[in-house]
Amino acid sequence: EAGVAQSPRYKIIEKRQSVAFWCNPISGHATLYWYQQILGQGPKLLIQFQNNGVVDDSQLPKDRFSAERLKGVDSTLKIQPAKLEDSAVYLCASSQTLVAFFGQGTRLTVV
Amino acid sequence: QKEVEQNSGPLSVPEGAIASLNCTYSDRGSQSFFWYRQYSGKSPELIMSIYSNGDKEDGRFTAQLNKASQYVSLLIRDSQPSDSATYLCAVKMTGGGADGLTFGKGTHLIIQP
Repeated sequence: EAGVAQSPRYKIIEKRQSVAFWCNPISGHATLYWYQQILGQGPKLLIQFQNNGVVDDSQLPKDRFSAERLKGVDSTLKIQPAKLEDSAVYLCASSQTLVAFFGQGTRLTVV
Repeated sequence: QKEVEQNSGPLSVPEGAIASLNCTYSDRGSQSFFWYRQYSGKSPELIMSIYSNGDKEDGRFTAQLNKASQYVSLLIRDSQPSDSATYLCAVKMTGGGADGLTFGKGTHLIIQP
């Protein structure tokens, strides 16, 4: 069974630029999550989708972050404009039951 | 505000000994508890889940849950150098709706050969 796929693996951008990350969850998993992991910390939930609907985006900085899952499968997370403090690993996870499985993440560096 | 607290370490344990990792959580509504292992530069990998009070064993790993004390622990028996990693404790509400994981900062475990 294929795991959660994410791209790109690495991205370096200048502050105030925009960036987008892509996630393809495990086939059949209705729930998709985006997490932000800053170096030395645990992952922090940004947004949760159930199929193509948003269940929880309470911790998403909506002035600069947006996410969509239009067809209930793939998802895109966008940051515009990026700040230095957005440097982190962005992890996508999916679940069918209680257990979430993580992708390899996208490491974003904002300079 | 849901919080999960872990000692960040590093926790250094001799090879072959028992490693004991601890975690406390603030939200009494938490119903599911997980331990993830994360190697440097890699994504979190699930190693144990526990949902009811008591112990749950899987190979060299034992998870322990005490909901009254809001305490979760992970024991690793016969520790191996390959167990050296950061161990993340995570909790979630269950029963539908918003059920994203709340993570602690992780405990950095070092197994000394």
